[in-house]
Amino acid sequence: RKEVEQDPGPFNVPEGATVAFNCTYSNSASQSFFWYRQDCRKEPKLLMSVYSSGNEDGRFTAQLNRASQYISLLIRDSKLSDSATYLCVVNMRGGSEKLVFGKGTKLTVNP
Amino acid sequence: GAGVSQSPSNKVTEKGKDVELRCDPISGHTALYWYRQSLGQGLEFLIYFQGNSAPDKSGLPSDRFSAERTGGSVSTLTIQRTQQEDSAVYLCASSFHREGSPLHFGNGTRLTVT
Repeated sequence: RKEVEQDPGPFNVPEGATVAFNCTYSNSASQSFFWYRQDCRKEPKLLMSVYSSGNEDGRFTAQLNRASQYISLLIRDSKLSDSATYLCVVNMRGGSEKLVFGKGTKLTVNP
Repeated sequence: GAGVSQSPSNKVTEKGKDVELRCDPISGHTALYWYRQSLGQGLEFLIYFQGNSAPDKSGLPSDRFSAERTGGSVSTLTIQRTQQEDSAVYLCASSFHREGSPLHFGNGTRLTVT
C-alpha cells in the first residue's frame, strides 16, 4: 500500500456542484493531516488542517476516519476559482516522521 | 513576516554543468524539505532535514544530487553534471517540527538544462 494515495481524477464539475475527494494513508500512527491546493505552475498552499473531530472552513469541510485510515475534503457550492489540484498530506510516525504528499486530485469547475 | 525564500527563481544551465539551489526557510522552522516537480506531475520528495541532519534522503535520484543545511537554517541543493532530465521546478518547504505544523513552500527554482 502506498504511503498516501489519492484518486488522480480529473474531476470536472459544474459551478455550484458539491465535490468530495478522499485520500488513504498507510501509517496507522499518523497524527497530522492537511489538505493543500496547488494552482498551475505555482507552489502548493495550505488549504486546511484536518482535525480528529472534523473541521469546516466556509464551503470546505475536512474529515478524518482513523479506523479506515482516510481523510476527505468536501467542497460545497463550487466556484470557478476552486479549479486546482488538491493534495493531501500525512505525517509518517515511527520513522523519519516526514510529511508525505499524495499525487493530487485535479479539479476543474466549469461555468 | 518573511516566507520561505528560494534562489535563483530561474536557472538555465548547460548539460554537464553543476548547479546550486538555495533555500532560506522561515525563521525558527527546524524541518526543511526539498521536492521537485516536473510539468504536469506530482511532487517528488528529495530530502528532509531536521535541524542540520537529514533523517531521510531516500528521494535523492542519484549520487549527482546532494544537499546540506548549516546553522539549522539555510539549505543548498547541489546537482552535479546536470542532465536534461533534471529539468524541473525545485521546491523547498519548511515547518516547525511538532504535531500539526503545516509546511510552507517557497516559490521554487525553475531549472532548465539545455
